[in-house]
Amino acid sequence: QQKVQQSPESLIVPEGGMASLNCTFSDRNSQYFWWYRQHSGEGPKALMSIFSNGDKKEGRFTAHLNKASLYVSLHIKDSQPSDSALYFCAVSKGTGNYKYVFGAGTRLKVIA
Amino acid sequence: GALVYQYPRRTICKSGTSMRMECQAVGFQATSVAWYRQSPQKTFELIALSTVNSAIKYEQNFTQEKFPISHPNLSFSSMTVLNAYLEDRGLYLCGANHGTGQLYFGEGSKLTVL
Repeated sequence: QQKVQQSPESLIVPEGGMASLNCTFSDRNSQYFWWYRQHSGEGPKALMSIFSNGDKKEGRFTAHLNKASLYVSLHIKDSQPSDSALYFCAVSKGTGNYKYVFGAGTRLKVIA
Repeated sequence: GALVYQYPRRTICKSGTSMRMECQAVGFQATSVAWYRQSPQKTFELIALSTVNSAIKYEQNFTQEKFPISHPNLSFSSMTVLNAYLEDRGLYLCGANHGTGQLYFGEGSKLTVL
């Protein structure tokens, strides 16, 4: 059964700094990887996806995937106080089966 | 844009009673809907995955008898928590998908059981 683990549990970075969030998964057949962000009192919202090995950049956010190492990460450049939230890594095995397993989350706090 | 409305946002119910929650997809066709429960500790448990024209698949520890789900069309799904007890409390989330792999989540239905 798929296991998705995130680290660190919590992270504090200064405004303008770089936040790095890590996620490992156990099923080598995993194909789809999403990062979700959840602000307090809200449902999770998709930040970005990555499906191929390597880096994918969207604005201040860069995702990195290494399927062979069962590892995906998210890096937030120039962190802002508004980035403070819970971040979840979600992993799925493939099309037609959008069964996502979520990690336990990383709580990010960006301090001014 | 794609939006998912979920209601009610919160319910307080007495132990042993039931709560029904609804999920409406707007701006896209929800070919599959995943119902999750987020615990007070913020971890996610997948309850069931409902795909149009297929049987609803429940995860281990979750049953149709306890969490009946309806997914009658491409824009609506509902789930009921029957005979709710303290261990059923949490934030129930529906995530709708239209074939791209992205789950669009509603804001959740928070269940408090007294």
